[in-house]
Amino acid sequence: DAKTTQPPSMDCAEGRAANLPCNHSTISGNEYVYWYRQIHSQGPQYIIHGLKNNETNEMASLIITEDRKSSTLILPHATLRDTAVYYCIVSSNFGNEKLTFGTGTRLTIIP
Amino acid sequence: GAVVSQHPSRVICKSGTSVKIECRSLDFQATTMFWYRQFPKQSLMLMATSNEGSKATYEQGVEKDKFLINHASLTLSTLTVTSAHPEDSSFYICSASQTVSYEQYFGPGTRLTVT
Repeated sequence: DAKTTQPPSMDCAEGRAANLPCNHSTISGNEYVYWYRQIHSQGPQYIIHGLKNNETNEMASLIITEDRKSSTLILPHATLRDTAVYYCIVSSNFGNEKLTFGTGTRLTIIP
Repeated sequence: GAVVSQHPSRVICKSGTSVKIECRSLDFQATTMFWYRQFPKQSLMLMATSNEGSKATYEQGVEKDKFLINHASLTLSTLTVTSAHPEDSSFYICSASQTVSYEQYFGPGTRLTVT
């Protein structure tokens, strides 16, 4: 699987949009970009995934650059409950493929 | 969304004993289950992949005779840590997926402390 690079930590004010970047310059054509988050002492939670088009769901938006070498996860109105470690993962297009977790970005929402 | 449970959520055992952790998919059939381990302040590390009815595939460096995995049904996988030692103390997390799904559903994790 392609390797991803994320900033180790970020802060965001409550109510503002949180933009979390991810670099995946070695992504191959059949690999999707997945985002998961892990709140302290819990199992990871799926957020969103995409191939090349931008995606939006009730939790977040995913913006993927045209060359697919980077992406940004956007939490439009961050709340204190969004404080977590966010993982950007590149993997082939089925859920039964193993996921390789990097170090992620520790997002802290500031009241 | 689909729900995955783990039992127990916390366990403390003495060195040398064995501990079994269960992972269940509650509302779907999981063709594949994964077991991860997470040490404090570190990321999740995949230990093994198991498919129902077949032997688990272990990641490099994970002892298959120490971490026994059984995936006997489409809704249950178990991880047994045999002859546990303090260095096995960790947060163990399972995930499950269906054949045609883009998601893996993670359990809440089991915190193992070996004294």
